[in-house]
Amino acid sequence: EPEVTQTPSHQVTQMGQEVILRCVPISNHLYFYWYRQILGQKVEFLVSFYNNEISEKSEIFDDQFSVERPDGSNFTLKIRSTKLEDSAMYFCASLIGRGGMTDTQYFGPGTRLTVL
Amino acid sequence: GNSVTQMEGPVTLSEEAFLTINCTYTATGYPSLFWYVQYPGEGLQLLLKATKADDKGSNKGFEATYRKETTSFHLEKGSVQVSDSAVYFCARKQGQGNLIFGKGTKLSVKP
Repeated sequence: EPEVTQTPSHQVTQMGQEVILRCVPISNHLYFYWYRQILGQKVEFLVSFYNNEISEKSEIFDDQFSVERPDGSNFTLKIRSTKLEDSAMYFCASLIGRGGMTDTQYFGPGTRLTVL
Repeated sequence: GNSVTQMEGPVTLSEEAFLTINCTYTATGYPSLFWYVQYPGEGLQLLLKATKADDKGSNKGFEATYRKETTSFHLEKGSVQVSDSAVYFCARKQGQGNLIFGKGTKLSVKP
């Protein structure tokens, strides 16, 4: 069964460094999402992406964040200058979006980002 | 505001016990509602969903009914198994399809 994959599973970085989190959505899906979960808190929406552009973003998704679909398979989240409070689990999700958009988002296993 | 509130965990039950995890939401209109489950070391998986009022979602013995009168979508299972041990997230759809999640409820089922 097709699934969303994410790499790495765990990323440790120093404060101020740039990180890129990678996701491979399900191949025929058209909508892509990033969420994050700070330890012990809610899963929070960051950004949605469709047709090679951001379709919606939350107030968390400030100028330090960017997303890109550099090729036909990868979907990346970049944090330009990490802060301690960026430490969280980051989830990627995709949604098929064809033939009438269904509601089901398929999630990856997450990348745990630790900023020291 | 738009939010999802679910009961605090952790919840510890014995095998074959009855499970209820409460979830309430605030929203304008009637958004689609979801329960996602996260097994240890894995991603979020859709467990069940309901797209309109009075709908009942069901899967793997779990059920939840969309109650607009009480703005609730409580998750229930009549007889839990050890393999049901996981974190359960209630969520609602908003905007252009993004999800608003509750904080998650960790369930541990003991043999």
